[in-house]
Amino acid sequence: DAGVIQSPRHEVTEMGQEVTLRCKPISGHNSLFWYRQTMMRGLELLIYFNNNVPIDDSGMPEDRFSAKMPNASFSTLKIQPSEPRDSAVYFCASSRAGTGGLDEQFFGPGTRLTVL
Amino acid sequence: AQSVTQLDSQVPVFEEAPVELRCNYSSSVSVYLFWYVQYPNQGLQLLLKYLSGSTLVESINGFEAEFNKSQTSFHLRKPSVHISDTAEYFCAVCRGGSQGNLIFGKGTKLSVKP
Repeated sequence: DAGVIQSPRHEVTEMGQEVTLRCKPISGHNSLFWYRQTMMRGLELLIYFNNNVPIDDSGMPEDRFSAKMPNASFSTLKIQPSEPRDSAVYFCASSRAGTGGLDEQFFGPGTRLTVL
Repeated sequence: AQSVTQLDSQVPVFEEAPVELRCNYSSSVSVYLFWYVQYPNQGLQLLLKYLSGSTLVESINGFEAEFNKSQTSFHLRKPSVHISDTAEYFCAVCRGGSQGNLIFGKGTKLSVKP
């Protein structure tokens, strides 16, 4: 298995531009998580899906952030418009966990976003 | 609300020395505990986890952690570290009965020097 795939690996954009981060979870996994990692705040859960349905989006910083999971093999995290304070590494993770499950989360390599 | 505190942001040690990375959690309900490791420019990987049963859990590369309910701790230890153990280590907690979302500590950077 190729593991969790994220694209792009690096993104540099200018303030105000739209940014779309993509994630392909491991086949057969039914939970998907988006995290943000910064020096100041550490690793934060933004949103997670179970069976393609958003379960908890309380970590999404504001309305500029949105996430979708149109099918079991693809998810996007969109920032519009982007701001310099959004600069961070964004990780996608997937697991087999369903409701009450605690299977290991497998992380992708991350997308390093720089907003100028 | 749950929280995880990793008391040391950086831990420098010499090769073959023992190391302990500290983790304390706060939760009023039963929890499940995890240690993840992040090597440079990579995503996180599960190192070990405590769900139930024996309070001492081990990883395949010589790390171990002990769940101590009275002290609300889950410290990570290794009796003899290698250069290749240089990485950032994250403690995480998942509340019992939840759907698997983890609360992570801020991480401890372990730097092993020759």
